[in-house]
Amino acid sequence: GENVEQHPSTLSVQEGDSAVIKCTYSDSASNYFPWYKQELGKRPQLIIDIRSNVGEKKDQRIAVTLNKTAKHFSLHITETQPEDSAVYFCAAGGYSTLTFGKGTMLLVSP
Amino acid sequence: DGGITQSPKYLFRKEGQNVTLSCEQNLNHDAMYWYRQDPGQGLRLIYYSQIVNDFQKGDIAEGYSVSREKKESFPLTVTSAQKNPTAFYLCASSRDSTETQYFGPGTRLLVL
Repeated sequence: GENVEQHPSTLSVQEGDSAVIKCTYSDSASNYFPWYKQELGKRPQLIIDIRSNVGEKKDQRIAVTLNKTAKHFSLHITETQPEDSAVYFCAAGGYSTLTFGKGTMLLVSP
Repeated sequence: DGGITQSPKYLFRKEGQNVTLSCEQNLNHDAMYWYRQDPGQGLRLIYYSQIVNDFQKGDIAEGYSVSREKKESFPLTVTSAQKNPTAFYLCASSRDSTETQYFGPGTRLLVL
């Protein structure tokens, strides 16, 4: 089955800095890679996703890049704000189920 | 994701008791999923259903059971065979199994 590794587990940045979270996956058949943001005690919410026919996708301050050859994808957040503080999960799959990484706790200090 | 509801918000289980968590969606989605979330473990798949009257085991199905008698409902039963049930349980749905999953608000299960 699919295996997703996510790094780092914790990331602390100053407000205005950029943050990068990286994930690797094992199953070359995976073709869908979403990113979710989860605030404490709340449900995960989709923030951006990418499919394997695209190398990069951007939505305002958030971007995702995908390298299918190396089987890794990354989330980039620019100009971080305190409200970006949360746990971020990557996932891989797309044909029947998703496999999630263990999450990255992002702390943005004012 | 406002079209997915879970109840109750908190649930307490006594030793040897079966409990059922409710998940309902009004999004007309075919696929539904149950995940378990423990601190530092991410989301682990318990069961999923791609269509009414059909479901498959996920990675950690032991001690759990599900049914999918209606398109909009996918209840999860935590049986007494699940020895460590304390966790945050999340239900999700998607238009089909290849599309984006949207999550419900979750149920926190605690053992008395």
